[in-house]
Amino acid sequence: GESVGLHLPTLSVQEGDNSIINCAYSNSASDYFIWYKQESGKGPQFIIDIRSNMDKRQGQRVTVLLNKTVKHLSLQIAATQPGDSAVYFCAETPLSKLIFGTGTRLQVFP
Amino acid sequence: NAGVTQTPKFQVLKTGQSMTLQCAQDMNHNSMYWYRQDPGMGLRLIYYSASEGTTDKGEVPNGYNVSRLNKREFSLRLESAAPSQTSVYFCASSEGTSGSEYFGPGTRLTVT
Repeated sequence: GESVGLHLPTLSVQEGDNSIINCAYSNSASDYFIWYKQESGKGPQFIIDIRSNMDKRQGQRVTVLLNKTVKHLSLQIAATQPGDSAVYFCAETPLSKLIFGTGTRLQVFP
Repeated sequence: NAGVTQTPKFQVLKTGQSMTLQCAQDMNHNSMYWYRQDPGMGLRLIYYSASEGTTDKGEVPNGYNVSRLNKREFSLRLESAAPSQTSVYFCASSEGTSGSEYFGPGTRLTVT
C-alpha cells in the first residue's frame, strides 16, 4: 500500500455522520480551488471545485465552502461512508498552476 | 478511454542510473504535468507543459528533464538518480492550465 501521508492530520468519524475537512490556503491571488480524494495506492481524484466568485458549491453528498476573508476552504461530506476513507487534498491556483496542501486523512469507523 | 496512463508502476534504481518515466493521456488535453509526492509533503510540481511544444519548470525541477513528445505524451527523465528522488511520481493532464487536473495511477520509484 501507499506510504504517503504517515504524518498527516487525521479526522476520524463514525459511518453515517457528517465530515468536515478544513484547508487554509496561502495566496490571496488564487481564484480557483479544487478538492481531491486520494485512496491508498492511487492517484488523486477530482471531487469538487469552486471559483473565487462563489462562497459555496454543492455536489452529490459534498459541499465546498470558501471564505476569502480568512483564506479558508472546507469540504463537507454528508452521511460519511466507509468508501470515503482516503486522504483529501485542497489545491489552489495562483498564477494558473495548482498548489496542493499537505492533506488530511479521513478514517471512517463503523 | 483510459484517461492518464503511466509506465512503469514500480522501479528501483541505483544511484547514478538514468531512466525515463512515461505518461500518456487520451482526453485531448492541452496541458500536462509531473508531480512528486513524498510523505507529509503533499504533491509538488516538477515540470509542466501548458501546450504541445512548451515546457516550464515547477516548484522542484532540479535533477529532472521533460519532453512533450506530442499532445498525448509527456515524459520525465532522471539523468543521474539520487536517493533524494525516491518518491511517488504522478502525471496529470488538464484542458487548460487553470482547470481541474486528471491524474494517472503513479510510479513508485526507489533509488538506493
